[in-house]
Amino acid sequence: ETGVTQTPRHLVMGMTNKKSLKCEQHLGHNAMYWYKQSAKKPLELMFVYNFKEQTENNSVPSRFSPECPNSSHLFLHLHTLQPEDSALYLCASSLTTGVVNEKLFFGSGTQLSVL
Amino acid sequence: AQKITQTQPGMFVQEKEAVTLDCTYDTSDQSYGLFWYKQPSSGEMIFLIYQGSYDEQNATEGRYSLNFQKARKSANLVISASQLGDSAMYFCAMREEPSTDSWGKLQFGAGTQVVVTP
Repeated sequence: ETGVTQTPRHLVMGMTNKKSLKCEQHLGHNAMYWYKQSAKKPLELMFVYNFKEQTENNSVPSRFSPECPNSSHLFLHLHTLQPEDSALYLCASSLTTGVVNEKLFFGSGTQLSVL
Repeated sequence: AQKITQTQPGMFVQEKEAVTLDCTYDTSDQSYGLFWYKQPSSGEMIFLIYQGSYDEQNATEGRYSLNFQKARKSANLVISASQLGDSAMYFCAMREEPSTDSWGKLQFGAGTQVVVTP
């Protein structure tokens, strides 16, 4: 079983739909992250959770709502999205935050298309 | 301001040859870490190699090595003996030492697309 698992792998939704992305890590890490990867743009950090507490919200629109019920699970709830929100959404985890040599472990991402 | 610059948007390399991917960074910190990740078409970002700013030796991991030139603020990735499976997007990233102003976010460059040809 891979370290960080994301579901679904692909998602197509209309602008009025509500959907959720799920991320689960089996590495015993305490920090989890959501990143957005759009074509021809660097990875954008969206949210960070450390020990279930949100420690970073990178000015993300409220139509994206994260939830971290425990250190192993992270959700991204989506509602009334816009076509420009179409992107690859990557989840990552690390043992903790704020350590220079801490490496992130990523999932395979959810490819989201908003119609 | 962009702190990580990868100037090569794409590269072709022949199988079994070596390839160097450029990365320059901008920081005034003395303590920082540099990372390289590989992203194949499957989407997952795979950690390849790490170099700390105080490390005196260039980092190596199998066929991957990092050409770290601190004074020039460059951290180029060298892939030796390229394989078809090396075709992917490669990202350079940096984390500065956490401080009261910054918790130490990992900052990524725009990436370099590598295509290995037979």
